[in-house]
Amino acid sequence: GAVVSQHPSWVICKSGTSVKIECRSLDFQATTMFWYRQFPKQSLMLMATSNEGSKATYEQGVEKDKFLINHASLTLSTLTVTSAHPEDSSFYICSARDFLRGGSYNSPLHFGNGTRLTVT
Amino acid sequence: GQQLNQSPQSMFIQEGEDVSMNCTSSSIFNTWLWYKQDPGEGPVLLIALYKAGELTSNGRLTAQFGITRKDSFLNISASIPSDVGIYFCAGFPSNAGKSTFGDGTTLTVKP
Repeated sequence: GAVVSQHPSWVICKSGTSVKIECRSLDFQATTMFWYRQFPKQSLMLMATSNEGSKATYEQGVEKDKFLINHASLTLSTLTVTSAHPEDSSFYICSARDFLRGGSYNSPLHFGNGTRLTVT
Repeated sequence: GQQLNQSPQSMFIQEGEDVSMNCTSSSIFNTWLWYKQDPGEGPVLLIALYKAGELTSNGRLTAQFGITRKDSFLNISASIPSDVGIYFCAGFPSNAGKSTFGDGTTLTVKP
């Protein structure tokens, strides 16, 4: 159980275009999902917290107009990288917490398999 | 914000050897989690710890929640080649708090 699916696995786009990444919780409902960015050989950097039915909460230094987050249902959050540039190339990972199964805010995070974005 | 110091940064060991890595923090955490990440994939949960002093095993893996609530360690016994990857610790500082991740320990196992 507690499977998180992320799509696409990789995407190559041209500079100036927008890219949408989907994160789905397959067997549980996730009122909150998290989006991370990871550079090679580095740790996960939290970008934003996606809240179902309300605005996302962005970490300091993350442009909310650049990284649009929508959490329209209890099983789906999307991250759209708008007007992508080569410096946006990175590995983007989402995670979700199964509150019902775990029972608390300290329940483990379950991660998607990540999306490798390359902007040319 | 809270920071986790994870060490060592990397390890090169021979197959069959035991491995130990740890995370420390200047802040108290309510939950410690250990993840493994293979190249090009998302982290996979290995062990979750919820109480100070708790010692939990998952196969050849054993992790402990430090009694001060400021540290945790992960041991891997009798390492095998498929143990290769990056191991991350993560901590939750309080209820509803955001998780903090260590910088990872890259493990290489030589057959």
